Amino acid sequence: NAGVTQTPKFQVLKTGQSMTLQCAQDMNHEYMSWYRQDPGMGLRLIHYSVGAGITDQGEVPNGYNVSRSTTEDFPLRLLSAAPSQTSVYFCASSNRDSYNEQFFGPGTRLTVL
Amino acid sequence: KQEVTQIPAALSVPEGENLVLNCSFTDSAIYNLQWFRQDPGKGLTSLLLIQSSQREQTSGRLNASLDKSSGRSTLYIAASQPGDSATYLCAVVLHSSGSARQLTFGSGTQLTVLP
Repeated sequence: NAGVTQTPKFQVLKTGQSMTLQCAQDMNHEYMSWYRQDPGMGLRLIHYSVGAGITDQGEVPNGYNVSRSTTEDFPLRLLSAAPSQTSVYFCASSNRDSYNEQFFGPGTRLTVL
Repeated sequence: KQEVTQIPAALSVPEGENLVLNCSFTDSAIYNLQWFRQDPGKGLTSLLLIQSSQREQTSGRLNASLDKSSGRSTLYIAASQPGDSATYLCAVVLHSSGSARQLTFGSGTQLTVLP
């Protein structure tokens, strides 16, 4: 199993550009989520999904969109990038069979100029 | 609002020592507690998960305990090695988070094991 994979590893954007951060898992987990990690702020939940076709907002959803068309994939879209979105983004997944132990991907480091 | 505190913020020990990392949380209505390791520039690696009904979990040289009534968890690392050097994060999921299963993280303990 590859576990949770994320692409790209690094990305530099200009203010106003859009992009999609990719996340995939091969563990058949029903639950997937996106966090951002910022110095002094820790990790904060952006959006999450409890299954294909079902998504909901977390603590800091503004400026981000998600969709879940398959169990495996959970992309995060930045609609119009802002410098405040400079951060490290992590995708995570879990399921009830493993008592909701959450597994994280390697992260995407995003810089918005 | 749930707050998670980790003390100390940084710890440096010589190789071979046993050590304890501390985590405290303000809301005891937790669903579970998870300990992670994060290496510089890397993702989070899950170390141990403790369900709210459990008192401890063990994996190799690691032992995590949970005392919900006092709002505390400890991560015990036996016979530390330089390869254990990393930031250790604890995180809790509250029952009230429902389907969000939102992890509330502490700020971490940065561990350095000296050869």
